[in-house]
Amino acid sequence: SQQGEEDPQALSIQEGENATMNCSYKTSINNLQWYRQNSGRGLVHLILIRSNEREKHSGRLRVTLDTSKKSSSLLITASRAADTASYFCATDGGNAGNMLTFGGGTRLMVKP
Amino acid sequence: DAGVIQSPRHEVTEMGQEVTLRCKPISGHNSLFWYRQTMMRGLELLIYFNNNVPIDDSGMPEDRFSAKMPNASFSTLKIQPSEPRDSAVYFCASSGHFDEKLFFGSGTQLSVL
Repeated sequence: SQQGEEDPQALSIQEGENATMNCSYKTSINNLQWYRQNSGRGLVHLILIRSNEREKHSGRLRVTLDTSKKSSSLLITASRAADTASYFCATDGGNAGNMLTFGGGTRLMVKP
Repeated sequence: DAGVIQSPRHEVTEMGQEVTLRCKPISGHNSLFWYRQTMMRGLELLIYFNNNVPIDDSGMPEDRFSAKMPNASFSTLKIQPSEPRDSAVYFCASSGHFDEKLFFGSGTQLSVL
């Protein structure tokens, strides 16, 4: 079963707008990661946030983590057409090692 | 660095045939993962190797699936006999010592007719 569930499943916005994707998970975690997948390609790591962190930034990406609610959000600011992809959250279930469980993903379309 | 290399990129086979998917992890990485992606079930972890040893194969669907890692630079995922419900994209990923993020290959698109 999937550990994380993304919301919304699909999101369509105009270039320049911000895109927010949410992820909920079920068990304890050491960290939560976000990945991006372009159509027909493998997943690419975007950002990792540890369980003792609340917010993290990387370029136009901002990730928040609320362990009390078992939820995370990914914000992409000033979106570009090139940001069109599927975005997945992944959790480690609090285990050692990198066995990640992925959510169902959010399909983001950014219209030029 | 060439990244994680998977072959073949596409595989079309008939039900009942044996299928072998191949993966070369990033040099120096000590963990290797096989995932399967379908529209219905999303990304599923099939098996995880650490230092060439299978650590967790609880995601392997059934005995028709087997995976090996004979050395640090090569892994195979075999399906015998294949069935139409095995049609999916199979990804291999690797990670290094003390590195929590995964590096994915481009995947193998498997179609079983």
